[in-house]
Amino acid sequence: DVKVTQSSRYLVKRTGEKVFLECVQDMDHENMFWYRQDPGLGLRLIYFSYDVKMKEKGDIPEGYSVSREKKERFSLILESASTNQTSMYLCASSLLQGEGEQYFGPGTRLTVT
Amino acid sequence: RKEVEQDPGPFNVPEGATVAFNCTYSNSASQSFFWYRQDCRKEPKLLMSVYSSGNEDGRFTAQLNRASQYISLLIRDSKLSDSATYLCVVNYSNSGYALNFGKGTSLLVTP
Repeated sequence: DVKVTQSSRYLVKRTGEKVFLECVQDMDHENMFWYRQDPGLGLRLIYFSYDVKMKEKGDIPEGYSVSREKKERFSLILESASTNQTSMYLCASSLLQGEGEQYFGPGTRLTVT
Repeated sequence: RKEVEQDPGPFNVPEGATVAFNCTYSNSASQSFFWYRQDCRKEPKLLMSVYSSGNEDGRFTAQLNRASQYISLLIRDSKLSDSATYLCVVNYSNSGYALNFGKGTSLLVTP
């Protein structure tokens, strides 16, 4: 079974802090994704990566950056956390380009105070 | 940008009922279509892919209408365990890599 793990289930940070969310997948998938999910807004794509060191902006990249130094690991960075970044963050990976199943991690509930 | 639209519901149906969800997408160039299921406080998981010819998996039937740009999901003989949010998913028109998720339709199956 594919497993996607995220470093924390719950995280509380203060405004202005730098925040790292880590995601690891164990199935040698090429593609990895970061989403945020908010009530009434659904899942929104922040960034994705289709190869090591490659990244593409999604719909809402502002205030975020990403890093993919190894194939299995995709990190989301909030350079200076703000209260409007309080959300559920979901990482996903997939083998195929836009055709195959995306496997999601359990999510990180981030609260910025 | 509203590429994928769904009725948010909630749909409240009794056990054993048949329920159908529709979803519309805006870009005719989209090639891949899926239904995902998300249980409360859980991550989304693939329910089924949607093929041009339509496809069935047990009590679930998915249909694609390219001319009208909509996708449907039919659930027959609803079970309590079908209660969840169903997400309509379409690949992005300008990228082969990413998927565009609808906001989801909430289903509650009652005894």
